[in-house]
Amino acid sequence: GAVVSQHPSRVICKSGTSVKIECRSLDFQATTMFWYRQFPKQSLMLMATSNEGSKATYEQGVEKDKFLINHASLTLSTLTVTSAHPEDSSFYICSAVQDGNEQFFGPGTRLTVL
Amino acid sequence: GQQVMQIPQYQHVQEGEDFTTYCNSSTTLSNIQWYKQRPGGHPVFLIQLVKSGEVKKQKRLTFQFGEAKKNSSLHITATQTTDVGTYFCAGPGAGGTSYGKLTFGQGTILTVHP
Repeated sequence: GAVVSQHPSRVICKSGTSVKIECRSLDFQATTMFWYRQFPKQSLMLMATSNEGSKATYEQGVEKDKFLINHASLTLSTLTVTSAHPEDSSFYICSAVQDGNEQFFGPGTRLTVL
Repeated sequence: GQQVMQIPQYQHVQEGEDFTTYCNSSTTLSNIQWYKQRPGGHPVFLIQLVKSGEVKKQKRLTFQFGEAKKNSSLHITATQTTDVGTYFCAGPGAGGTSYGKLTFGQGTILTVHP
């Protein structure tokens, strides 16, 4: 199946700093990628839809100025958590759609903000 | 907006017992997908159901889509320790299915005691 990678897998940062997370589709082109957030033992909450060459579409309640998304190419989307705070600590997962509706998920990035 | 409710939240079984998780939507779904997330891992696509009343099997897993296309179930026969994980159902999110946006259920955390 299709492979999606994420980098970094873990990051620990100080409060107030910005963190960039990369999501790459390794063996296919993805015009659309999705960013999710998952708290422990909870479901995946869609944050935004990342579209190549256009602005991301954010879900209600997600601050677009805090979670900057850039989809620079058909294989790369980045999520930047700006001015991170402890409440932003979470598991961030991206996914990409290859054909139809099946989503291929990246391995996730665990963010800890001290 | 569309909601996808999933029960139970937790299920503990002895190895060899059966397991079922149920998913209900507030609206009719064009399709429903099922994912499995192992502890510490990321969601992995299991199957997609499209037709009313559809039943699909994958070895010990049986997936059903209700006649009204508003509910679905995943049944595992004779669970094994390798079945441990969280099982999510997901339906198309607002905006249609053309680009794969999903709304996830809360997930059912399955633990299997050997």
